Amino acid sequence: KAGVTQTPRYLIKTRGQQVTLSCSPISGHRSVSWYQQTPGQGLQFLFEYFSETQRNKGNFPGRFSGRQFSNSRSEMNVSTLELGDSALYLCASSLIAGTNEQFFGPGTRLTVL
Amino acid sequence: QQQVKQSPQSLIVQKGGISIINCAYENTAFDYFPWYQQFPGKGPALLIAIRPDVSEKKEGRFTISFNKSAKQFSLHIMDSQPGDSATYFCAASQTGANNLFFGTGTRLTVIP
Repeated sequence: KAGVTQTPRYLIKTRGQQVTLSCSPISGHRSVSWYQQTPGQGLQFLFEYFSETQRNKGNFPGRFSGRQFSNSRSEMNVSTLELGDSALYLCASSLIAGTNEQFFGPGTRLTVL
Repeated sequence: QQQVKQSPQSLIVQKGGISIINCAYENTAFDYFPWYQQFPGKGPALLIAIRPDVSEKKEGRFTISFNKSAKQFSLHIMDSQPGDSATYFCAASQTGANNLFFGTGTRLTVIP
């Protein structure tokens, strides 16, 4: 069974731009969560989607948003990029919402110049 | 506020030795405690997880010890191998919520 896939793997943007990252969960998994990983703040939860609905949201500004499609694929968007948004963005999938067991993708490395 | 505190920050162990990483949490509502292993350039991989109804769980060379009263849990890697060299993260969450709170990570180096 294929794992979680994320595209693109690497991205370079400039301040003020916006970016969209994509995540395809493990086949059959319906819950997708997003995390931000930085050297300073570590791994932090952004939000979780299940059945195309946001179930839970972390403590991030409104510039960070996401959505989920009917096939469980998810996208996250960051608008008006800031230098501090440079990070590894990780997507994790789980079978259904609230089952806790999450499997991570390889991440998208975003660099903001 | 760090909900899960992890130590040590880095650890060097000889091949064949035991690696021990410790975590402590504050929120007594947490009832799911996983450990993840991350290699450079990769996403975290789920190693092993425990719930508070047991005090220990073992899978191969990896063991989680859990102390509910102390609100602490630890990862023991027996017979550590150079291939175990990676960053290890503990985490915690509540049943019904998929937002994991992660520790700050431990960089393990196993010397041949």
